Amino acid sequence: RKEVEQDPGPFNVPEGATVAFNCTYSNSASQSFFWYRQDCRKEPKLLMSVYSSGNEDGRFTAQLNRASQYISLLIRDSKLSDSATYLCVVKWSGGSYIPTFGRGTSLIVHP
Amino acid sequence: DTAVSQTPKYLVTQMGNDKSIKCEQNLGHDTMYWYKQDSKKFLKIMFSYNNKELIINETVPNRFSPKSPDKAHLNLHINSLELGDSAVYFCASSQGGLRDNEQFFGPGTRLTVL
Repeated sequence: RKEVEQDPGPFNVPEGATVAFNCTYSNSASQSFFWYRQDCRKEPKLLMSVYSSGNEDGRFTAQLNRASQYISLLIRDSKLSDSATYLCVVKWSGGSYIPTFGRGTSLIVHP
Repeated sequence: DTAVSQTPKYLVTQMGNDKSIKCEQNLGHDTMYWYKQDSKKFLKIMFSYNNKELIINETVPNRFSPKSPDKAHLNLHINSLELGDSAVYFCASSQGGLRDNEQFFGPGTRLTVL
């Protein structure tokens, strides 16, 4: 069974902190990687895709480590509004790119 | 200007009943999906339709029957509801296939089976 594992947290951090989450995947043939954000009792929304060379979007940086089979999300200068659950998503061609979601990592940013 | 909408938002029903959830997207996408998010928060794909044709069916009991009257709509009918069907059901859509395309999710339907 192909797995995507995330530490459920919660990660409790003060405003302004830097926080990082990892997500490990079991299928080495995985090809597409994403981070989605889900607010409490809301739908998931795409935060960012994860590219092989790593990519940044403002305060958010995503990295892929194929050798160790994990992706990471770094959030700098945390805001109260960053409080949410962050879902890791992995797809592979052998699975018809059917997305496998991790259970999510909960982040709570406090004043 | 809702992109992906679902009705109803909440559904409380008794075991054994039959119920439907409707989904509509106004994004012009050609692919639509149904997901189930259980109490442990795992989000799992159930079905996918591309231009009204079923392309993914992920070992879902045949009590669940999706129907796509056109590419903007994908409804989910559930027969003989069971306690384990209690979950949040999300509809989603994307332009093109699954590989690299962003999926847009509806607000979810919270189903409670008593």
